[in-house]
Amino acid sequence: GDSVTQTEGQVTVSESKSLIINCTYSATSIGYPNLFWYVRYPGEGLQLLLKVITAGQKGSSRGFEATYNKEATSFHLQKASVQESDSAVYYCALSENQGGRALIFGTGTTVSVSP
Amino acid sequence: GPKVLQIPSHQIIDMGQMVTLNCDPVSNHLYFYWYKQILGQQMEFLVNFYNGKVMEKSKLFKDQFSVERPDGSYFTLKIQPTALEDSAVYFCASSLAEGPEVFFGKGTRLTVV
Repeated sequence: GDSVTQTEGQVTVSESKSLIINCTYSATSIGYPNLFWYVRYPGEGLQLLLKVITAGQKGSSRGFEATYNKEATSFHLQKASVQESDSAVYYCALSENQGGRALIFGTGTTVSVSP
Repeated sequence: GPKVLQIPSHQIIDMGQMVTLNCDPVSNHLYFYWYKQILGQQMEFLVNFYNGKVMEKSKLFKDQFSVERPDGSYFTLKIQPTALEDSAVYFCASSLAEGPEVFFGKGTRLTVV
């Protein structure tokens, strides 16, 4: 079936350093999935960080970027210079390219940014 | 931004009893969802609901589970009877028909004892 893999469960990074969170996906039943990064800040609900629905395109938000790489089936999240306020749990997800369909999530990556 | 509200945030229930989890979705949204996350595991889709009907459900959506949204009020997930393995955080979500963006609540932590 379809799945999303995040290899890092926990990442610690110093403020102002760069961050990459890896995400790969398998979409055997979905030809061209929509790809998402969701984030949960401490004490808050899950919220959409960015989405990309077209292969080859890049999404960006709050200094984060992710490129939909169909050949590598990857959607890695990057930020050039993190801040303490970026400490959160980040989830990669995919869905069919149609409104109302289920999201398939990765296991999440907890990012701790130290001052 | 738009908010999905879940009530209560935490509920403890005896095994075998019935529980209803309530969700107040974003007001103009038309699709509603429940997801389940067991501690340390990924969030998994349970069911989605549109126009008064279940559209799709996963194998986690057991026969003991039911959903409804009577007359535009709360979107509810009922579990009857509850089992120990139902202990998890349940997330409600909603979306517009045409957009892929889904808005999530903060979750209800259900503990079955």
